[in-house]
Amino acid sequence: GESVGLHLPTLSVQEGDNSIINCAYSNSASDYFIWYKQESGKGPQFIIDIRSNMDKRQGQRVTVLLNKTVKHLSLQIAATQPGDSAVYFCAENTGGFKTIFGAGTRLFVKA
Amino acid sequence: KAGVTQTPRYLIKTRGQQVTLSCSPISGHRSVSWYQQTPGQGLQFLFEYFSETQRNKGNFPGRFSGRQFSNSRSEMNVSTLELGDSALYLCASSLEGRGGTNEKLFFGSGTQLSVL
Repeated sequence: GESVGLHLPTLSVQEGDNSIINCAYSNSASDYFIWYKQESGKGPQFIIDIRSNMDKRQGQRVTVLLNKTVKHLSLQIAATQPGDSAVYFCAENTGGFKTIFGAGTRLFVKA
Repeated sequence: KAGVTQTPRYLIKTRGQQVTLSCSPISGHRSVSWYQQTPGQGLQFLFEYFSETQRNKGNFPGRFSGRQFSNSRSEMNVSTLELGDSALYLCASSLEGRGGTNEKLFFGSGTQLSVL
């Protein structure tokens, strides 16, 4: 069935290092991909998105890379800070008024 | 502008009971989606509403239902509660739900449902 999955369930990084969170998606027809961040006790919050006609998009300290050939998505966080500790979800919009979420990766930032 | 508001924040029910959860979207947003979040299954899509019409539905039993009102507020109902229904229920709104840069989802903080 439809799925968006993650390679690593947990990731631990040192404060100041760069973080890379990976994601695989299965629907080659998906044309819009999003990364969300969920902190404890809150709903997911939008971080950055990318359309399928792009392979890279940069935000403030975050970059999303899209490789359609292997159906792979990644989120890079530069100079990771303690406030970045959260669960990160990749998601894809299938165009059918539905956004599908991956399983999530928990990011721990060590001070 | 106020964010997505979900009520109640916490709910405790017993098996066999039914429950109604409420969601008020961001002003101007007409699409409302519901998700069930559990540690084992992650975020699972329940359904999406737009202009009081359900446009898409996930793979949940008929005990899960929803509706949307003319002011875009939405409710979801779970009847004959089971232990496995214990979860965080999240509501998200967007302008028109078509997906795309201007259609990102904005989530509420959720309703934590515990079924005993």
